[in-house]
Amino acid sequence: GQQLNQSPQSMFIQEGEDVSMNCTSSSIFNTWLWYKQDPGEGPVLLIALYKAGELTSNGRLTAQFGITRKDSFLNISASIPSDVGIYFCAGQRAGNNRKLIWGLGTSLAVNP
Amino acid sequence: NAGVMQNPRHLVRRRGQEARLRCSPMKGHSHVYWYRQLPEEGLKFMVYLQKENIIDESGMPKERFSAEFPKEGPSILRIQQVVRGDSAAYFCASSPTFPDRGPALYGYTFGSGTRLTVV
Repeated sequence: GQQLNQSPQSMFIQEGEDVSMNCTSSSIFNTWLWYKQDPGEGPVLLIALYKAGELTSNGRLTAQFGITRKDSFLNISASIPSDVGIYFCAGQRAGNNRKLIWGLGTSLAVNP
Repeated sequence: NAGVMQNPRHLVRRRGQEARLRCSPMKGHSHVYWYRQLPEEGLKFMVYLQKENIIDESGMPKERFSAEFPKEGPSILRIQQVVRGDSAAYFCASSPTFPDRGPALYGYTFGSGTRLTVV
């Protein structure tokens, strides 16, 4: 099945640094979502994007829906230890609103 | 019940046994989605159900797997004659209505998952 190309696969950063990760697809998406998953838990929605070019913030998190509708990025500013976890992008293709297609995740480790 | 409840959290089955995973959606939600997550991978869609109806099961393996969402009670994902390759985390999500603009707008919420281990 299709998956999104998410990079980087993992990151190890110092507390206070900014983080950037992105997702790309060969298909056009009409929705991009960014989730965070803590160990042993289900994904929790961070940011949802619905329009090409849309830039949305949630606290220290900022995400953008690419103009081509085939990519999205997530930035985390001034990282803190509780940012540790796996971040997933997910998207919905135009005309198919029932399924989410997922990236493989970016594992983030923050050194205090 | 503030969220999507899945049980059991952990399930161990021997090869050939049956596994039954339960999902109680959020109050007021009538749409349920099941996803499977293998280690080090993202989630893969399995099935989308409304009360008493399977809407989309294109992600379900053709054999041994079935799902239901009865009028009363939780949604059940059933795996018959489990094999080692079925070992994974199974997540359920629910939403209150057909998500025209994307699940997030309508509160598409995930449960904590059931981790199935086949020995």
